[in-house]
Amino acid sequence: ETGVTQTPRHLVMGMTNKKSLKCEQHLGHNAMYWYKQSAKKPLELMFVYSLEERVENNSVPSRFSPECPNSSHLFLHLHTLQPEDSALYLCASSQEASGGGNEQFFGPGTRLTVL
Amino acid sequence: GQNIDQPTEMTATEGAIVQINCTYQTSGFNGLFWYQQHAGEAPTFLSYNVLDGLEEKGRFSSFLSRSKGYSYLLLKELQMKDSASYLCAVMDSNYQLIWGAGTKLIIKP
Repeated sequence: ETGVTQTPRHLVMGMTNKKSLKCEQHLGHNAMYWYKQSAKKPLELMFVYSLEERVENNSVPSRFSPECPNSSHLFLHLHTLQPEDSALYLCASSQEASGGGNEQFFGPGTRLTVL
Repeated sequence: GQNIDQPTEMTATEGAIVQINCTYQTSGFNGLFWYQQHAGEAPTFLSYNVLDGLEEKGRFSSFLSRSKGYSYLLLKELQMKDSASYLCAVMDSNYQLIWGAGTKLIIKP
């Protein structure tokens, strides 16, 4: 595997379900990110991790819970979501969380539908 | 507040040239990125500008004017595979990327 991988690619869940999204990066990067992408809206940054420590949490509802067990893996745990949470969830990584020119590499995303 | 503006959709002809504009107002500036995103796929990096001027990379060029809060992405010799969304993003003073909503580019034969 190369680059950034995400599983599952598609997920349908009810509002009472608990599920987790997984991201893995094979680039040796120190920073990882979760984004939400809704149709015709800008990418919304949800969480940033640098060397497994959360450095940013942009007012995300508590029904989204991130976990970063090591610098290569990132999870997003989902619990009692709402239909408006349906979106494409993208994971990204970069060499560092700060510093100019830090290109972010994206995974293919998980298309989430909440019924 | 922070704001990135780019056109929602543009149409161009195969073989032609198209310019996609991006204007921004952000808290600080640590560079501007352009990404390409094909439908159902991950965004992929195209270019990075931090100083004023034009950066050329093959058929794609990106221009930046920091004093005007303005950038454009120029695509030459358009090919059908260039049909995609093009995302403009600015890195602010906290090194966070602030994203535009993207410009959907439609290429016609």
